[in-house]
Amino acid sequence: GAGVSQSPRYKVAKRGQDVALRCDPISGHVSLFWYQQALGQGPEFLTYFQNEAQLDKSGLPSDRFFAERPEGSVSTLKIQRTQQEDSAVYLCASSLVGTQSTFSYEQYFGPGTRLTVT
Amino acid sequence: AQRVTQPEKLLSVFKGAPVELKCNYSYSGSPELFWYVQYSRQRLQLLLRHISRESIKGFTADLNKGETSFHLKKPFAQEEDSAMYYCAQPTGGFKTIFGAGTRLFVKA
Repeated sequence: GAGVSQSPRYKVAKRGQDVALRCDPISGHVSLFWYQQALGQGPEFLTYFQNEAQLDKSGLPSDRFFAERPEGSVSTLKIQRTQQEDSAVYLCASSLVGTQSTFSYEQYFGPGTRLTVT
Repeated sequence: AQRVTQPEKLLSVFKGAPVELKCNYSYSGSPELFWYVQYSRQRLQLLLRHISRESIKGFTADLNKGETSFHLKKPFAQEEDSAMYYCAQPTGGFKTIFGAGTRLFVKA
């Protein structure tokens, strides 16, 4: 079946513009994660959804970042008034079950959206 | 703060040589550790996980709680092993922490 998909794959935004990044997880996957990956770094956790509930948003760097998953499937990461430091690859990952214990399940990653803020 | 440390940004070995990619973790509460791999022009994917105790593509990783390490090893590297490798650890909540990654380059 289809894996995790993300759109757009590339986005160039002028500083101050708002952007919306979309993630389509694997059908039936309960968990959805957003990560930010700066050049030369590993993925950094932004936020986590279990179905439609956003259970952890501790990694969102500022109140300019907002994520939603209203029907428990597709998710959107929105960045308002983009800044140059927001330039990064934004990764979405989904997992079959929730991660309520120390045992967590394999995450399936999308191809990422490369955001460049000029 | 919880950290996953991969001290080498780049590791270059000859084909057929042994390879070890280092990973040290700081969060002692989680028994679970992962290695993810990203081949050229492909997405990040799971290579192996501690709890499965599997050998995938000839790679193994042993958890050493005393040294808080989870190094990835392969006795004979192949050119197709060239990729970016990330060590990752769930923190017991919903967050997974990734290391900065090590690029493995296997020379012919």
